[in-house]
Amino acid sequence: QSALTQPRSVSGSPGQSVTISCTGTSSDVGGYNSVSWYQQHPGKAPKLMIYDVTKRPSGVPDRFSGSKSGNTASLTISGLQAEDESDYYCCSYAGSYTYVFGTGTKVTVL
Amino acid sequence: EVQLVESGGDLVQPGGSLRLSCAASGFTFNIVWMTWVRQAPGKGLEWVANIKQDGTEEYYVDSVKGRFTISRDNAKNSLYLQMNSLRAEDTAVYYCARVRPGYHDYWGQGTLVTVSS
Repeated sequence: QSALTQPRSVSGSPGQSVTISCTGTSSDVGGYNSVSWYQQHPGKAPKLMIYDVTKRPSGVPDRFSGSKSGNTASLTISGLQAEDESDYYCCSYAGSYTYVFGTGTKVTVL
Repeated sequence: EVQLVESGGDLVQPGGSLRLSCAASGFTFNIVWMTWVRQAPGKGLEWVANIKQDGTEEYYVDSVKGRFTISRDNAKNSLYLQMNSLRAEDTAVYYCARVRPGYHDYWGQGTLVTVSS
């Protein structure tokens, strides 16, 4: 049950694209197509942004996209906007009805 | 509108106990799994426990096994977390969330548990 590994921080200018990686193992990220991503503003509850690796819930802008290759999942924010500045966490199903979250990444809009 | 409202967070001494509650509304509570996730101050999210729709199956992160118990009352649309033998490292904001297969789609605002003497 070790946390998934994410970069501590990423940054980009408005309009640019940033990608956040999420590295796990074959027992979690690599073993299931159940990776989700959450946005969390300071002092607020997490908000679901991506589920099932690539799917976006209703209301989430299409500039947010997800992908996975092997044991690493990724979240890409295209056309970065000021309101995207936040913390982002990945999460993967890890078997036996358990889940594991990533270490979290702070996205800064320059 | 889906709403999850946690309560019960407090300051408690090491070794003490606390019971958190989560009141659910806006959806059919008894057909979904529910979960608790916590976040220590300045740290990341940590999955804590899951409970099946009818309460017959529970799953925990290793660090709380034997100390925490997740339960639910479907008649009251409520989720609970009984926390015993609390440690300083249990200090966190505790969130309840609705579980869909493979992800958590709605979250409460959280309740703060502080374990300190």
